[in-house]
Parts: sequence; C-alpha cells; structure tokens
Amino acid sequence: AQTVTQSQPEMSVQEAETVTLSCTYDTSESDYYLFWYKQPPSRQMILVIRQEAYKQQNATENRFSVNFQKAAKSFSLKISDSQLGDAAMYFCAYRRSGAGSYQLTFGKGTKLSVIP
Amino acid sequence: DSGVTQTPKHLITATGQRVTLRCSPRSGDLSVYWYQQSLDQGLQFLIQYYNGEERAKGNILERFSAQQFPDLHSELNLSSLELGDSALYFCASSVATSVASGRWWSETQYFGPGTRLLVL
Repeated sequence: AQTVTQSQPEMSVQEAETVTLSCTYDTSESDYYLFWYKQPPSRQMILVIRQEAYKQQNATENRFSVNFQKAAKSFSLKISDSQLGDAAMYFCAYRRSGAGSYQLTFGKGTKLSVIP
Repeated sequence: DSGVTQTPKHLITATGQRVTLRCSPRSGDLSVYWYQQSLDQGLQFLIQYYNGEERAKGNILERFSAQQFPDLHSELNLSSLELGDSALYFCASSVATSVASGRWWSETQYFGPGTRLLVL
C-alpha cells in the first residue's frame, strides 16, 4: 500500500520569506500523481499544485513550486514571498495513475504559521 | 469556490442515530469521492462512485453506506452513530471523459466545504 509521510508537523516562516515543506512517499508504481492541498482555518480543502510523475519538469503555480525527486520519492513544496493568507495546514497527497484505484492517500499534514 | 456543494455544513446528533450527508459534484463531473477527516485518523478515503456505480471502497465502516443518484448527486448515510464518528466529512469530485482513443480520467479531485458532524 502507498504511504505518504510529512515529517514536519509544524513550521513557521516570516512574512515575505521562503519556506519549504517536505513530503516523502512510498510506492511501487511508476506512474502516479502527487498533490499539495491547503486547508485554512475555514477547513476547505484547496488544491495548491499537482505533479505528474512522468514529467521531469517541476510544477509551479505563481509563488508555489515543487521539487519532485522521483528516485528519492520526495515531493517538497516551496512557498516564496510568504503571505499571511498562506497560514494553513498543508497536506501532501498521492494517487495512482489510470483506472482502478482512484483514492487520494494523504499525509498527516504540516501546520504552517506565518509571522508578520 | 470549488463548485462542489455539501449540505448540511454542521450536524449535531446523538449516539445511535442515523444521518444523511449530501453532496453535489461540479457540473460535468461523474465521479464522487467521500473522505473522513478526524483528529486521530487524519484524512481517510471512504468510498467512490462513478456515474451511479460504486467504484472503490476504502476504510468505510459497515454502518456507513453511500449512493449516487441519476442526477449525479451523492449521499453518505451514517447509522448507529458512535462518539468516534465525529469528524469532518468531505465530498470531492472529478471528471472522466471518453475520448476517441479510449477513456481517460482526470486526476484532480476538487473538494467541497465539508460537513462537520458532532455526535454527542
């Protein structure tokens, strides 16, 4: 079974600074998808960024980017120019590619605080 | 706003009772997923429906059941409720589209705002 590990239960960053959240996963599959979801205090799950395993290029979305290391099974999220609104729980998630197994497997989450 | 709606937002009930949570997927999405988020178990996949049919099951208790209706909305039924069932229940949806070369599946799930269930 696939597992997702987020080793940092809590992190903090100064406003306007850069922070990196770590995620590792375990799978025997060669094709899969990885996601970062943000959960602010409202509890809404918001998709931040996604990465297809077959793509070598790291995904970016504005201030958010990932460092995808397939061989190391590592998928970290970098937040640049941190803003107060970035304060939230961040979940790393894995999903197999293709039909047959559709569910997301989540890590335990990292709580990010942004210090003004 | 993800386009996925869930009702009710909050639900308070007593042990032994039965409740129904409702989810409407994004327009055009055929797949609906249910997840449970609790303090001790984290986010766990419960069940998935595609176009009215059950497609995958996760850690769903026998006391829980779900269905997807012809209009694609879904309901999660929780019965004989226990204190430990208190959690945030999310619905997510994704699209699956047939193309000329076969069927492909969108890999991104969009989440609704959740239903917070409190069992007293």
